[in-house]
Amino acid sequence: GAGVSQTPSNKVTEKGKYVELRCDPISGHTALYWYRQSLGQGPEFLIYFQGTGAADDSGLPNDRFFAVRPEGSVSTLKIQRTERGDSAVYLCASRNRGGLSYNEQFFGPGTRLTVL
Amino acid sequence: DQQVKQNSPSLSVQEGRISILNCDYTNSMFDYFLWYKKYPAEGPTFLISISSIKDKNEDGRFTVFLNKSAKHLSLHIVPSQPGDSAVYFCAASRGGSNYKLTFGKGTLLTVNP
Repeated sequence: GAGVSQTPSNKVTEKGKYVELRCDPISGHTALYWYRQSLGQGPEFLIYFQGTGAADDSGLPNDRFFAVRPEGSVSTLKIQRTERGDSAVYLCASRNRGGLSYNEQFFGPGTRLTVL
Repeated sequence: DQQVKQNSPSLSVQEGRISILNCDYTNSMFDYFLWYKKYPAEGPTFLISISSIKDKNEDGRFTVFLNKSAKHLSLHIVPSQPGDSAVYFCAASRGGSNYKLTFGKGTLLTVNP
């Protein structure tokens, strides 16, 4: 596709449930990032993948959060035992490691997660 | 502790005038700075960036200025257009950190016709 896509666009769940959020990066982009944007805040880094491996997961808030990228393309962010404080917009971004714009990250539209 | 700060939550300017958005940072290890623009219900869109080895970068109506000694950068939009109305985020990264971005809280720019 032309850009980064994320599904679902909206997810409403109940406290304690498990959710999965999907990200489809730009074709050929090996670097993939997850960010979380809470109301009134800027996006905050969660995790970075280079290829299939999580090269930096220092932003994950606790062990209820986990992300995978098994084939080096699509990534899934998984949240167990959701809490109301997890409500936020979850953004995915991808980056082309080569070329002139190697520092630029391209963002998807985000998934708005609401935990009731 | 916020490493990237945008102290103005909002800014309102008249169409055709200059918009100046400001950003301060505290981490001297940051060496690359970016501005993103965000419309409601959309992801942030890259606007312009600057490396710490430069003090100015220009792209059409958009210019970013970097003052390393003051740890301050600004985005100038000239002339401002109603379509520029959006939230603008300042972001920073440092080499060797996988280019992960640290964002400010954003400034809502409104350009009035």
